[in-house]
Amino acid sequence: AQSVTQLGSHVSVSEGALVLLRCNYSSSVPPYLFWYVQYPNQGLQLLLKYTSAATLVKGINGFEAEFKKSETSFHLTKPSAHMSDAAEYFCAVSGNTGGFKTIFGAGTRLFVKA
Amino acid sequence: GAVVSQHPSRVICKSGTSVKIECRSLDFQATTMFWYRQFPKQSLMLMATSNEGSKATYEQGVEKDKFLINHASLTLSTLTVTSAHPEDSSFYICSARDAASGGAGNEQFFGPGTRLTVL
Repeated sequence: AQSVTQLGSHVSVSEGALVLLRCNYSSSVPPYLFWYVQYPNQGLQLLLKYTSAATLVKGINGFEAEFKKSETSFHLTKPSAHMSDAAEYFCAVSGNTGGFKTIFGAGTRLFVKA
Repeated sequence: GAVVSQHPSRVICKSGTSVKIECRSLDFQATTMFWYRQFPKQSLMLMATSNEGSKATYEQGVEKDKFLINHASLTLSTLTVTSAHPEDSSFYICSARDAASGGAGNEQFFGPGTRLTVL
């Protein structure tokens, strides 16, 4: 079975500050891990994904995430927040079993203050 | 590349009617498509996995007779909400897995979603 826990339903940062969104996963098989962003009334956009290659994954819009197996974590970071980063962020896990289902975390709403 | 479309983007219907939502992969073949439901300010809940040419696999608690899924081709899956009621009002999102990607990455490409409102 696979699951994802996102710590913090809301995160607020000032513009220019570091963004850190936390994600811990549970998986009985080697996981594929994803971060998605969702703007209001829109679908999901892939920010980045981990597929067992490099543990530090760089994505779009300056985001990156580090896979830490020992901590079962895949936290998302961005050095300097922009107002346009305000959105809902979802961490997700998938594997090569169970019909390739993707399981999503509860989501974290990022607020960026001017 | 890897674009998934949904139609309609927004639909309002009367209670008791049926609504069909289409999900298309525009530039790739999708052997597997997924249907999700998202309530306001909540995460995506997987409803069912749709495999081309076979019956959909529904998640526990999802009524298969109410949410009919058809995946007749490698580029089209449909979700029909039968006898819709106000509690079915939600944001429905589909995703598609590229058949050519094999097992690597398992990336799914998401449609823009369909907002269903049942009066």
